[in-house]
Amino acid sequence: DVKVTQSSRYLVKRTGEKVFLECVQDMDHENMFWYRQDPGLGLRLIYFSYDVKMKEKGDIPEGYSVSREKKERFSLILESASTNQTSMYLCASSFGGGANTGELFFGEGSRLTVL
Amino acid sequence: AQSVTQLDSQVPVFEEAPVELRCNYSSSVSVYLFWYVQYPNQGLQLLLKYLSGSTLVKGINGFEAEFNKSQTSFHLRKPSVHISDTAEYFCAVRVRSGSARQLTFGSGTQLTVLP
Repeated sequence: DVKVTQSSRYLVKRTGEKVFLECVQDMDHENMFWYRQDPGLGLRLIYFSYDVKMKEKGDIPEGYSVSREKKERFSLILESASTNQTSMYLCASSFGGGANTGELFFGEGSRLTVL
Repeated sequence: AQSVTQLDSQVPVFEEAPVELRCNYSSSVSVYLFWYVQYPNQGLQLLLKYLSGSTLVKGINGFEAEFNKSQTSFHLRKPSVHISDTAEYFCAVRVRSGSARQLTFGSGTQLTVLP
């Protein structure tokens, strides 16, 4: 079974703190994603990576950055957390290239509260 | 660009009753379609997918969905629900020629099964 592991299930941070959310997948997937989930808004893509050190902005990248130094690991960084970044963050991975049909494999989520 | 509309944000239903969760999409080209399920405090997992071929797709836990190209719909059905089906359900669409980052999610339908 594909496993996508997010390092923290619940985090509480203060405004202005730097926040790291870590995600590791064990299926040798080329693609990795960070989504934000808010009630009534579904999932919105923050950043996408299709290879090591390669990334693309998603629909809501403002206030976030990402790092992919190894194929299996994709990190989301909030340089200076703000209260409007309180949300559920979901990491996902998928096959790349011709093997990709759009199916994603998700981690269990990281619920971030910024006070 | 494609879009997805989930017509009901909340669907309450009694145990052992049938249920239909509605999903409509807009796209001028061929698409892949997905239903994901999210149980409380967990990430999303794939319920079923339509890639090509038969328009009636069977998924896990007794769910099925029918792709209707003329009505641009992909409604999810189950003939008899259980308490354990209580979860949030997300419809998603991606154009076949698009990239992996172009998966678009609906806003979700909360299914609550009542005893």
